[in-house]
Amino acid sequence: DTEVTQTPKHLVMGMTNKKSLKCEQHMGHRAMYWYKQKAKKPPELMFVYSYEKLSINESVPSRFSPECPNSSLLNLHLHALQPEDSALYLCASSQVATSGPKRSSYNEQFFGPGTRLTVL
Amino acid sequence: AQKVTQAQTEISVVEKEDVTLDCVYETRDTTYYLFWYKQPPSGELVFLIRRNSFDEQNEISGRYSWNFQKSTSSFNFTITASQVVDSAVYFCALSYNFNKFYFGSGTKLNVKP
Repeated sequence: DTEVTQTPKHLVMGMTNKKSLKCEQHMGHRAMYWYKQKAKKPPELMFVYSYEKLSINESVPSRFSPECPNSSLLNLHLHALQPEDSALYLCASSQVATSGPKRSSYNEQFFGPGTRLTVL
Repeated sequence: AQKVTQAQTEISVVEKEDVTLDCVYETRDTTYYLFWYKQPPSGELVFLIRRNSFDEQNEISGRYSWNFQKSTSSFNFTITASQVVDSAVYFCALSYNFNKFYFGSGTKLNVKP
């Protein structure tokens, strides 16, 4: 199974709503990622989880709250979003890349189909 | 400082033409990885290839080929005999810092019948 799934595919929410995006993978990967992608732009990294622990937070506003309940699941909790947060949210997973002279080479990331989020 | 440069914003070709997408990267690390991803209109990024800094051997996979040249810090991607299904945005990416990817700005390829 080389698939990363994301739900929902589309989400429309108001600025006062609370919603969650979900991501699941069954490739045995221990690194999972959230990206935000605006139209005609490359993906922007938001968070990285490694072995279910948050390892990178790219100064994302607190209205985005990630959670990694287990090695297969990754959630992104949304609260009090702004219209400018409307974007495609992509989840990805990979093997954990290690540092040092024997750095792991198997760190290509596999992406899910994304959730198109619209904030009204 | 921009780490991955894809100078071609958009390219249009007619089906069966060959097309090369350019990627220039910048890093001080001696160990790094380069990637190409395809993003069709549906939105999902599809992994195409990974290349590590110690392997400059060019690679061919069907109609796709990649030319990695450390001397010019380039990792170019050529599609031979392009097809309409190749229409997508293509991203080049660099990784040298743990699990962090640096994406280029992408090149939109339009293949017309």
